[in-house]
Amino acid sequence: EDQVTQSPEALRLQEGESSSLNCSYTVSGLRGLFWYRQDPGKGPEFLFTLYSAGEEKEKERLKATLTKKESFLHITAPKPEDSATYLCAVQARANSKLTFGKGITLSVRP
Amino acid sequence: GAGVSQTPSNKVTEKGKYVELRCDPISGHTALYWYRQSLGQGPEFLIYFQGTGAADDSGLPNDRFFAVRPEGSVSTLKIQRTERGDSAVYLCASSLMAGHQETQYFGPGTRLLVL
Repeated sequence: EDQVTQSPEALRLQEGESSSLNCSYTVSGLRGLFWYRQDPGKGPEFLFTLYSAGEEKEKERLKATLTKKESFLHITAPKPEDSATYLCAVQARANSKLTFGKGITLSVRP
Repeated sequence: GAGVSQTPSNKVTEKGKYVELRCDPISGHTALYWYRQSLGQGPEFLIYFQGTGAADDSGLPNDRFFAVRPEGSVSTLKIQRTERGDSAVYLCASSLMAGHQETQYFGPGTRLLVL
């Protein structure tokens, strides 16, 4: 069974304080690993897809990396508007559904 | 439309009642997914359609839940004899096609509260 574990559950940062969010996964044949951002009361918003170990993708202050067992979402010099829940999900080759972790709630203080 | 839309945005019902939740996917997307998200949890897969047919309904919790997509576009999730445990946010997503590394784009969700 595919599993995704995200840590920490919650993270509080000062504005400008860089950090990383972790996503550990087990999947029988990875098709893709997805990062989404979710604001309160909204649906998940797509950020990145990573397909193979060693791959990296960047968008503004965010950078996602992938190994064979985990993915990291690095946040450089975060701003208060980066406050949200960050969800990680895996998609196996055998099917099309996404298996999500519980998410990491990030709070950035000004 | 520009994105996935879902109606209603909120639904309050009484235990035992029947509800229908609607999803309108991004134009041209052939794959449509339903997920359920409880408070403090990530979305949990329910069912997905490729075209008009349900390709995988392994996530439906029991036979009170049913979904249709008769014309390959709009989908309706139907819940019979609702229970308090059905209270959650029901999310719909669509992608160009199923699998093949296609990104799933989510709607805003329907917040269902069963009293």
